[in-house]
Amino acid sequence: AQSVAQPEDQVNVAEGNPLTVKCTYSVSGNPYLFWYVQYPNRGLQFLLKYITGDNLVKGSYGFEAEFNKSQTSFHLKKPSALVSDSALYFCAVRAPYSGAGSYQLTFGKGTKLSVIP
Amino acid sequence: ETGVTQSPTHLIKTRGQQVTLRCSSQSGHNTVSWYQQALGQGPQFIFQYYREEENGRGNFPPRFSGLQFPNYSSELNVNALELDDSALYLCASSLGGAPYEQYFGPGTRLTVT
Repeated sequence: AQSVAQPEDQVNVAEGNPLTVKCTYSVSGNPYLFWYVQYPNRGLQFLLKYITGDNLVKGSYGFEAEFNKSQTSFHLKKPSALVSDSALYFCAVRAPYSGAGSYQLTFGKGTKLSVIP
Repeated sequence: ETGVTQSPTHLIKTRGQQVTLRCSSQSGHNTVSWYQQALGQGPQFIFQYYREEENGRGNFPPRFSGLQFPNYSSELNVNALELDDSALYLCASSLGGAPYEQYFGPGTRLTVT
């Protein structure tokens, strides 16, 4: 079974400072990893994904994430936080295709990011 | 390009009733997945449809059922509603296969009283 852990329920960061939102995962085989953001009363918005290749992936709105296979981690980062980045962030994992249902995403519980002006 | 749309936006039902939620997938996407997001939790996978057939199911009872139509739109039906069914129901579409990301609709907020 696949699982995702987001160890921090909330992350507070000052505007202009770098931010990191942590994620660790468990899955059989090589993982497909995703980050989504959710604003209040809205659906999930795709930020970035890791499939294969370079361990540092870049995504929307200046976000990037670093894949670390040995630590089974996929932390989300941004060099300079904006107040508008304040939202709920979800990490998700998907196993490589292995039959029906393996396309499902398994999400963490989410991390609330607050950027303080 | 049209994104994923869902209807209705909000819904209030009574325990024991039945409900149908609808989803239109993003143009060109042939796979639809449904997720339940309880308050304060991450989305939980309900099931997925690919080419009008169920293509995987999460840990949800049979009273959760679905359909996918030839135009790839989809319905989620829940029978015998329970209070714990109160949640945000999210539909996501994708190209299926391969490592494509899923694109989510805005969700339907279901309240069961």
